[in-house]
Formats: sequence, C-alpha cells, structure tokens
Amino acid sequence: DAGVIQSPRHEVTEMGQEVTLRCKPISGHDYLFWYRQTMMRGLELLIYFNNNVPIDDSGMPEDRFSAKMPNASFSTLKIQPSEPRDSAVYFCASSLDRVQETQYFGPGTRLLVL
Amino acid sequence: GQSLEQPSEVTAVEGAIVQINCTYQTSGFYGLSWYQQHDGGAPTFLSYNALDGLEETGRFSSFLSRSDSYGYLLLQELQMKDSASYFCAGSARQLTFGSGTQLTVLP
Repeated sequence: DAGVIQSPRHEVTEMGQEVTLRCKPISGHDYLFWYRQTMMRGLELLIYFNNNVPIDDSGMPEDRFSAKMPNASFSTLKIQPSEPRDSAVYFCASSLDRVQETQYFGPGTRLLVL
Repeated sequence: GQSLEQPSEVTAVEGAIVQINCTYQTSGFYGLSWYQQHDGGAPTFLSYNALDGLEETGRFSSFLSRSDSYGYLLLQELQMKDSASYFCAGSARQLTFGSGTQLTVLP
C-alpha cells in the first residue's frame, strides 16, 4: 500500500484566499483524522471520521474550517477565508481500529498564509 | 480532557540508553502510545501499551503504570538516526499528544 497520501505537499497563499487540503487514507481503514501541528500548540486533533461520518469536530478552530469525507478513499479540509495564523503543517492520518490507536500519518501539507 | 507531560529535551551519546518519561491526566483512559517524528517528517507509530508493564520492540521498549498515570519510552543502543522528537499520546475518546521530547544523540 502507498500509505496515506496528502496533497498538496506545500501551499503558499494570501490571506483571505480559500485553501483546500486533500487526503487519501490507507485502503480499508475506517478512521480518518485531521491534525494541525505548530511550534506553539504542538500536534492538535481537528476532526475525525469513522466510516465517512464526522464523529468529533471539537478541535476545529472556528467556522472558517470545514472538513468532508464524501467516500472511503477521500477527504478534504477547507479553510475559507485563510488567515496568517492558520500557517501550520496539516497532517491526515488513518487507522484500522481507533481503540488500538495505531495511526498512520501522511507526509503533511505545509501551509503558509501570507 | 486530557493532558500529558514529557520533558522538552533530552541529550545522550551514541550507544547509550535513554528514558523519556510521560505523565498523564485523563478520564476514560484506554492506553498510551509513542510516536517518533524526524524534522520535516510525519509522526510514525512506535508502540502502544494498553496494560501495565513493559512492551519490547527491538531497541525500543515502552512501559505503562496505570496506577501511577505514568509511562516511559526506553531507547537502547542509541544511534544517530534516533535523533528526533518523541511524543507520548493518550487515548480516551480521542488521541491526545504530549508536547514532544526532542532527543539529540551525540557522537
């Protein structure tokens, strides 16, 4: 398996623009997670899905952030409008069984909002 | 909610043994995981302890004491490539990561 795939790997945009991050989980994994990592706040869980259904979105910072999972092999995280404080590395991860907590992370998207 | 505390930095020399501690406060605790992250890379899973005791995987071992709300990651025969950040993560309703320990291995 190719592992978790994320695109783009790098994104530079201007404040106010819409940003869409994409993720393809490992085939057969029922759980998908979106994380954000910054120096100040560390690794934070934003939202996670089970069988394409959002389960916990309490980590989503505000209404500017939204996430969807239209099918088992694709998810998006959208920021609209983007702000400089959104600059971070965004990771997508998937797991077969959340209780076992073996999560497989994608390479991340490095977002810079100017 | 959950909170996990671990040292911010640890330095050791090649060939040595290092222990990275993690204390946690959480409700509905399932277990403790450890992840490694190299600079510019993604976190990768190392180990998971659901039960008290020691789990060994090659040069790495992880320990959990639920009664003490404490765990540690033990790295033996340190190699330069072990220089990375190590995160403990507590699982309850979701996985919560500690702030990470930057391990530097010196020659």
